[in-house]
Amino acid sequence: ILNVEQSPQSLHVQEGDSTNFTCSFPSSNFYALHWYRWETAKSPEALFVMTLNGDEKKKGRISATLNTKEGYSYLYIKGSQPEDSATYLCAFMTTDSWGKLQFGAGTQVVVTP
Amino acid sequence: DAGVTQSPTHLIKTRGQQVTLRCSPKSGHDTVSWYQQALGQGPQFIFQYYEEEERQRGNFPDRFSGHQFPNYSSELNVNALLLGDSALYLCASSALGQGTYEQYFGPGTRLTVT
Repeated sequence: ILNVEQSPQSLHVQEGDSTNFTCSFPSSNFYALHWYRWETAKSPEALFVMTLNGDEKKKGRISATLNTKEGYSYLYIKGSQPEDSATYLCAFMTTDSWGKLQFGAGTQVVVTP
Repeated sequence: DAGVTQSPTHLIKTRGQQVTLRCSPKSGHDTVSWYQQALGQGPQFIFQYYEEEERQRGNFPDRFSGHQFPNYSSELNVNALLLGDSALYLCASSALGQGTYEQYFGPGTRLTVT
């Protein structure tokens, strides 16, 4: 993998269901993996910054895992609510380009009541 | 704390014109990065300013230039606008001087080139 890839591109979830989606990134020169939640007409909101292989982060009903050796991260939403509807972006940072975020195209999540 | 602010919110320009976008970083932050988000894509890194100098640059032509002021605020200038420059321009601030790399984003400026 040469770039950051996110799948699926979009997701429709029933309220109360749990869901997850993937961010894949190049495994060489890894420095950090960022997750953002971006609601329409608002600023992207930082969810997690992950740096260590095997790292797990949690914020309320949202959690993320990181595998730097194979180059992927999963984001999980437990018991989805309509307010979880947003585009979730992951961004990769390398050791030789520190401070520069390389973004995926995002996963758009729509939670219906 | 006002967070990261950007102005203007929306802008319409004609092909060939020049545009200046502005960004004020979050309080306590000394680094500003600019990103371009075209429709259907993730944000693309344009450049980053720290200590009033361009520290890193993405794959954008010289028509894209910037500046950082002593109060850490920043401007993005685009000359000779093309239709393809129509996009959302995001500014992000961070505290590079403190050794942290978390970036906080503003709401963006929507540029339309006609």
